[in-house]
Amino acid sequence: GAGVSQSPRYKVAKRGQDVALRCDPISGHVSLFWYQQALGQGPEFLTYFQNEAQLDKSGLPSDRFFAERPEGSVSTLKIQRTQQEDSAVYLCASSPSRTSGRVYTQYFGPGTRLTVL
Amino acid sequence: TQLLEQSPQFLSIQEGENLTVYCNSSSVFSSLQWYRQEPGEGPVLLVTVVTGGEVKKLKRLTFQFGDARKDSSLHITAAQPGDTGLYLCRGGSEKLVFGKGTKLTVNP
Repeated sequence: GAGVSQSPRYKVAKRGQDVALRCDPISGHVSLFWYQQALGQGPEFLTYFQNEAQLDKSGLPSDRFFAERPEGSVSTLKIQRTQQEDSAVYLCASSPSRTSGRVYTQYFGPGTRLTVL
Repeated sequence: TQLLEQSPQFLSIQEGENLTVYCNSSSVFSSLQWYRQEPGEGPVLLVTVVTGGEVKKLKRLTFQFGDARKDSSLHITAAQPGDTGLYLCRGGSEKLVFGKGTKLTVNP
């Protein structure tokens, strides 16, 4: 498939465990975004990459959240010492555009549903 | 941070009915997008509007951007069960933010 893929689709973690969520963007897309979507809410911005550079991480809720995109393609969102409030769907999106905002098309993956017990 | 208010939060209608959902802010948008999200999937872009007063049509969906670029509406004509989903608006200037969405259910 040519779309954005994410893995795993579902993750259950015990409180205090570390988790790693993977995003495979559309090939050749420059920009990559991570969002957190709580139940019944719209997605909230976490962080943004342009190629391998993390240009904006202002949405990361705490220093337990860390994202990387070392080769400018696949990205991993890591959450350390998970808490119950981290339970949400984590969405990844990619865009061919170099801009972080303005008018552009983002293509979203299906998300990873994280449940922290 | 610009906030986007979407209304109504929930909407349940019968197949064939018309409906309008709204996206409002006290701030001016440089652009605004509408997305539809189905359960277990990511949002899919429906339209982008950039000009105050702009109207765009996508089959049975009509999108309008307010003259002052602070609000937008989505009108669906003759709704079908396949229109069921979470409709999200997204806008802003420096940073784009999502509203909380309108959860639409179209019953057959």
